[in-house]
Amino acid sequence: GENVEQHPSTLSVQEGDSAVIKCTYSDSASNYFPWYKQELGKRPQLIIDIRSNVGEKKDQRIAVTLNKTAKHFSLHITETQPEDSAVYFCAASQPFSSGSARQLTFGSGTQLTVLP
Amino acid sequence: EAQVTQNPRYLITVTGKKLTVTCSQNMNHEYMSWYRQDPGLGLRQIYYSMNVEVTDKGDVPEGYKVSRKEKRNFPLILESPSPNQTSLYFCASSLRLAGYQETQYFGPGTRLLVL
Repeated sequence: GENVEQHPSTLSVQEGDSAVIKCTYSDSASNYFPWYKQELGKRPQLIIDIRSNVGEKKDQRIAVTLNKTAKHFSLHITETQPEDSAVYFCAASQPFSSGSARQLTFGSGTQLTVLP
Repeated sequence: EAQVTQNPRYLITVTGKKLTVTCSQNMNHEYMSWYRQDPGLGLRQIYYSMNVEVTDKGDVPEGYKVSRKEKRNFPLILESPSPNQTSLYFCASSLRLAGYQETQYFGPGTRLLVL
């Protein structure tokens, strides 16, 4: 099955700096890569996702890049703010049309702390 | 309001006492899933369902059961809970678009403590 590794596990940045979180995946059939943000005591919420036919996607201060050859994808947050402090999870999913398990496999999470 | 609901939100029980955590969504989603979240391990899938009467095991199915008799509901059943099932549980649902996973919407979570 799919294996997703996420680094770093903790990340502290100064307000206004950029933060980068990296993930690698093992299954070349995976074609959907979402990122979720989970604030303390709350449910995970999708912040951005990328599909395998795209190399980069941006939404205001958040961007995700995908390198299918190397099987890794990254989350970039620019001009960080204290409210960006949360746990961030990457995930990878195989297409539903495949015969194998159709599920999201999550990374272990990154605790991002933005220091004022 | 489009949402995924779970009940109960908090539960303390004892080893061996059967329990059910309910999950319901009002978005007409085909796909529903259960995850458990443990520190340092991220979210691990327990079971998922592609549609009514179609369920399959995720990564950590041992000790759990599910059913999908109606499209909107996907209960998680612990027939004989054990302390290692103490965890935070999330239900999630999504549309099922051909060829791609679709955005999963998570419920608020159920914190379970098994003594």
